Amino acid sequence: AQSVTQPDIHITVSEGASLELRCNYSYGATPYLFWYVQSPGQGLQLLLKYFSGDTLVQGIKGFEAEFKRSQSSFNLRKPSVHWSDAAEYFCAVGAGHTDKLIFGTGTRLQVFP
Amino acid sequence: DTGVSQDPRHKITKRGQNVTFRCDPISEHNRLYWYRQTLGQGPEFLTYFQNEAQLEKSRLLSDRFSAERPKGSFSTLEIQRTEQGDSAMYLCASSLAVHTEGYGYTFGSGTRLTVV
Repeated sequence: AQSVTQPDIHITVSEGASLELRCNYSYGATPYLFWYVQSPGQGLQLLLKYFSGDTLVQGIKGFEAEFKRSQSSFNLRKPSVHWSDAAEYFCAVGAGHTDKLIFGTGTRLQVFP
Repeated sequence: DTGVSQDPRHKITKRGQNVTFRCDPISEHNRLYWYRQTLGQGPEFLTYFQNEAQLEKSRLLSDRFSAERPKGSFSTLEIQRTEQGDSAMYLCASSLAVHTEGYGYTFGSGTRLTVV
């Protein structure tokens, strides 16, 4: 069955530091992979997505992610974190002909000044 | 187009009451999804429409839940005889089919349901 694992429940970084959020997936075919961000009480905003082609994907707000098939990973990175990046981050895989999304449990990012 | 709209934003109801939520997708999107998100968890898939046809339902969607999308436009999600375990954020999303230009989900801001 398809699944997504985000091993880090909570990460704290200082403003200006680099960031990497981990995501591992389990899916039999070539996956469609997504990263979403959610602020408290809000819906989900798409940061970036991978379908095929270049394995390094650029997204909004300065985020990027790298698809590594051999490691079944799709880690999210940002070179310099801003205080406004504090939020919950969800990795997801698109599954089946309906393209329903299977989400991980999320990583809460806290940013210290 | 202002994106995906959900109404109401918040709903408090007594256990045993019925509630109905509405979702207005992006007008050109033919796919519509409902997800449920409980505290500290990622969203979980509930059901999916392509145009007006409901093509997939999750095991999470008990008999007390029903969803419709008349005329392939807006959608409603009804919960009958609500239980405390139904308390959650209900998220709606719409998209174009995956192999079309500009594919991608757009989520609404959600309806937060509290059953007391």
